[in-house]
Amino acid sequence: NAGVMQNPRHLVRRRGQEARLRCSPMKGHSHVYWYRQLPEEGLKFMVYLQKENIIDESGMPKERFSAEFPKEGPSILRIQQVVRGDSAAYFCASSPSRAGRETQYFGPGTRLLVL
Amino acid sequence: DQQVKQNSPSLSVQEGRISILNCDYTNSMFDYFLWYKKYPAEGPTFLISISSIKDKNEDGRFTVFLNKSAKHLSLHIVPSQPGDSAVYFCAASDNYQLIWGAGTKLIIKP
Repeated sequence: NAGVMQNPRHLVRRRGQEARLRCSPMKGHSHVYWYRQLPEEGLKFMVYLQKENIIDESGMPKERFSAEFPKEGPSILRIQQVVRGDSAAYFCASSPSRAGRETQYFGPGTRLLVL
Repeated sequence: DQQVKQNSPSLSVQEGRISILNCDYTNSMFDYFLWYKKYPAEGPTFLISISSIKDKNEDGRFTVFLNKSAKHLSLHIVPSQPGDSAVYFCAASDNYQLIWGAGTKLIIKP
């Protein structure tokens, strides 16, 4: 049973470009969470999605960031017009149902570097 | 506003001895706590959890203790092994959001 897949593992972008991060949840999991980790800090919640629905995006910056989890295909975290402060590790997690009582399983992360 | 705090950035322990990692929280609404282990360039891996209705949960070499009155939890690893060297994150939840501490880097010395 494959775990949570994220790609790319590393992404380099210049300021002003767009970054697209992909996450394929574990088989049978329909709930996806995105977290961001800045250097020397813990993970910070960004957004929680179910298939075709955004449940909670309270941790997402109001501008330039968006997320989707379509009926078919991976979840996408999209960052438009990237700035240097967007450089971080972005982790995706999935769970079979609404977590809090169940474990969220994490992917290996995408390390975004903005030059 | 840090709701979950891990005040020790790093901890060094001799192989075979007990490792104790600490975590404090401020939000009394948290009712579920988890410990994750993270190796460099990998995602966090779930280790052990505890519900707020309990004060102890044990799984092999890992035991988590919860002191609700002090809003404090700790992870005990005994005996410590070289493969335990990693960053350990404490996380708390009152729904689906996990609120994370900054992590403690555990180094097991041979």
